[in-house]
Amino acid sequence: GAVVSQHPSWVICKSGTSVKIECRSLDFQATTMFWYRQFPKQSLMLMATSNEGSKATYEQGVEKDKFLINHASLTLSTLTVTSAHPEDSSFYICSARVPGAEQPQHFGDGTRLSIL
Amino acid sequence: AQKITQTQPGMFVQEKEAVTLDCTYDTSDPSYGLFWYKQPSSGEMIFLIYQGSYDQQNATEGRYSLNFQKARKSANLVISASQLGDSAMYFCAMREAGSGGGNKLTFGTGTQLKVEL
Repeated sequence: GAVVSQHPSWVICKSGTSVKIECRSLDFQATTMFWYRQFPKQSLMLMATSNEGSKATYEQGVEKDKFLINHASLTLSTLTVTSAHPEDSSFYICSARVPGAEQPQHFGDGTRLSIL
Repeated sequence: AQKITQTQPGMFVQEKEAVTLDCTYDTSDPSYGLFWYKQPSSGEMIFLIYQGSYDQQNATEGRYSLNFQKARKSANLVISASQLGDSAMYFCAMREAGSGGGNKLTFGTGTQLKVEL
């Protein structure tokens, strides 16, 4: 089946650091990828939709300058958390969908981000 | 209004028994898809089963089946012959054809399933 790879799995860094998370579709091309944030014991919250070759579409309340998204190729989207602070600590997970109405979104394994 | 409602924060089931996880949805879009995902404690999201709004039959995938009642707007997940490895968080999600933005998913709040010996 379709595979989505996300890297890194864990990040621990100091406050003020910028952190880049990669999401790759390994065996299919994805014109659209999605970035979610999940707090402990809560549901997935869609942050933004990443569109290949164009600007990302952000959900209401998500800071565009804080969470930079780049989708430079059909197999790679990146999320950069700029000047991260402790409140940005969370589980971030990406997904991509094989084209077709019945196709599900396939998720990466997620990134646990801890800002000290 | 919540688009996806999962009313069971937690469920317990004995090994080898069947369990039903509830999901109701709200949409005015005639074309939509319903999905169930499993999230173990390790965090990855595992796709389980899909039901399209125009599908006449309930979806089945191995031990998973979806009890789709369109008039009641419910899409309950049935897991038969539960196994210890089924212990996880389960999310119901909906994709509406008119949602735009690449057909994004809306998730419910999830149900934590615990399978006991």
